[in-house]
Parts: sequence; structure tokens; C-alpha cells
Amino acid sequence: GEDVEQSLFLSVREGDSSVINCTYTDSSSTYLYWYKQEPGAGLQLLTYIFSNMDMKQDQRLTVLLNKKDKHLSLRIADTQTGDSAIYFCAESRDQAGTALIFGKGTTLSVSS
Amino acid sequence: GAVVSQHPSRVICKSGTSVKIECRSLDFQATTMFWYRQFPKKSLMLMATSNEGSKATYEQGVEKDKFLINHASLTLSTLTVTSAHPEDSSFYICSATAGNYGYTFGSGTRLTVV
Repeated sequence: GEDVEQSLFLSVREGDSSVINCTYTDSSSTYLYWYKQEPGAGLQLLTYIFSNMDMKQDQRLTVLLNKKDKHLSLRIADTQTGDSAIYFCAESRDQAGTALIFGKGTTLSVSS
Repeated sequence: GAVVSQHPSRVICKSGTSVKIECRSLDFQATTMFWYRQFPKKSLMLMATSNEGSKATYEQGVEKDKFLINHASLTLSTLTVTSAHPEDSSFYICSATAGNYGYTFGSGTRLTVV
């Protein structure tokens, strides 16, 4: 079956690093994604990682993938108040063009 | 980059009426579009998958007669909520893909049924 789990809330201070964790169950997942959603808006793709990679870094964002444990994390360095949003991890199945399966989202709150 | 336009962004309708939501891929051909419903506790529920020119595939528990999906062209899919009731009030989001692993999301539609 497919299930994506995330912690629901994370609160950090401006300038600190944020780490959002996600676990998934579908071993056939090919790509794993991180999306950001601001209030009342749609989903913005932040980054993605292919399942044969362990790590991907893109500016302030670092994604770590532990395929053995089916664990995915998103680290945001130097977190800013503008990073406050809901962050979703999502997995795709092994066939391109099929729907993404989302976690429930982690609400990141950044205080100044 | 790929852009998906979703309209309207917000709609209020009376109970018993129908509402149509449009999802357009502006700069790519979307072979597949997806419709999600987002509940207050944030989770995104996949409602249906639609491929251009064919009938949509609905997820279990989603009423196909209530949520009519049309994907008439490679750039447009519509979701019509028929005979809307207050429990249909929600945030609806579409997503489009060109058949690869890239997914682009619309900005969502807030539906309120009064």
C-alpha cells in the first residue's frame, strides 16, 4: 500500500535550520518531491530527488533520502520568516504520469 | 517553466447549484490532469485522474456523478461540482503532467457552498 507520513508541526527561530521529515511505504517510488504551500495558494515545487540518489542540495535546501528506511528529509538552512508555510512530501509511483501521493503536510512556523 | 492556471480562485454558490472549475496548462500539453481536494487538516485527497479524450478515473469513494470531470483538450480539464451542498465546501487543486515525472499545480479554488 501507499502511505506517506509527516510530522504535523515544526517551529523554529529565524536563522536556524529546519528539518522536516517524511516516511513513505511504497518501495516502487521513483521520484520523491517536496512542495510548499502558502495560505490560500496552490503547491509550489521546491525540489525533488530520484530514488537512486542519497542527497540533493539546491541553495538553502538539502534533501536526504534513506531508501533502506524509506525516510526522506528536507533541511532548510538559515530559515526565514518567508519560509513559514505548509510543506508536503510526495511520492510518485514507478510509472510516469501517475498521480502523486501526498503526506498530510508539516506546518513550519518561523519566529523572528 | 510549466504553468497551470486554475479558475476561479474563489467561488461562493448556493446549495443545489453547480459550479465549474477550470484547469489550463498554459505552455505545455498535459496528457494527464489530476484533481485533488484539500481538507481543513491539510491532507490532499486525490479525487480523479483524467487523460485527454478519455473518461476520468475516479478514486474510491468519489462520486463520479457529483464531480464531473472533462478533459476535452491537451490544455484544459474542468471539474464540475453538481448540485453542490455545504459539505462540498473545500479547496480544490488541479495538477497537470506531460506524462513524465514533472507535475505542475494550479493555484487552487476555494469553494464555499451556502
